[in-house]
Amino acid sequence: AQTVTQSQPEMSVQEAETVTLSCTYDTSESDYYLFWYKQPPSRQMILVIRQEAYKQQNATENRFSVNFQKAAKSFSLKISDSQLGDAAMYFCAYRGGNYGGATNKLIFGTGTLLAVQP
Amino acid sequence: DVKVTQSSRYLVKRTGEKVFLECVQDMDHENMFWYRQDPGLGLRLIYFSYDVKMKEKGDIPEGYSVSREKKERFSLILESASTNQTSMYLCASSLFGRAGLYSNQPQHFGDGTRLSIL
Repeated sequence: AQTVTQSQPEMSVQEAETVTLSCTYDTSESDYYLFWYKQPPSRQMILVIRQEAYKQQNATENRFSVNFQKAAKSFSLKISDSQLGDAAMYFCAYRGGNYGGATNKLIFGTGTLLAVQP
Repeated sequence: DVKVTQSSRYLVKRTGEKVFLECVQDMDHENMFWYRQDPGLGLRLIYFSYDVKMKEKGDIPEGYSVSREKKERFSLILESASTNQTSMYLCASSLFGRAGLYSNQPQHFGDGTRLSIL
């Protein structure tokens, strides 16, 4: 069974600085998808960034980028120029690449609570 | 934008009551999901559905049931509520995973229902 591990329950960063959140996963599949979701205090989960395992290029969305190391099964999230609005719980999630039915489900890590200091 | 609406933000019920949590999405998504979120445990999948009247158990289905009579609506039912079901419940929807264009479709989440069982 696939698992997702986030080893940092809490992290803190100064405003305007860069922070990296760690995520590792375990799978025997070769085709899969990885996601980072953000959950602010308002509670709605928001997709931050996604990565297809078959793509070697790391995904980037504005100030958010990932370091995807397929061999190491690592998928870290880098937030550059941190802003107060980045304060939230961040979840790493895995989805298998087969199509249909049960393989559409996400497997989540336990989350990292990010605080941004002014 | 995709809109996933959960019927209540906060709900307080008594032990033994039958509890209904409702979720509606407006994007004609095939997949719908119910998660439970607890501190330190991340999100755990209770049930999901990939078509009307279809349902599959997730990782923690005990004590819960679901109903999907219409494509846009997915209900979570606590048959006889117990105090250990006090939690945050999140509903999500997504397009059915397929190879190609829709292969990396993310899940879209509602705002969550914080349920307390007294």
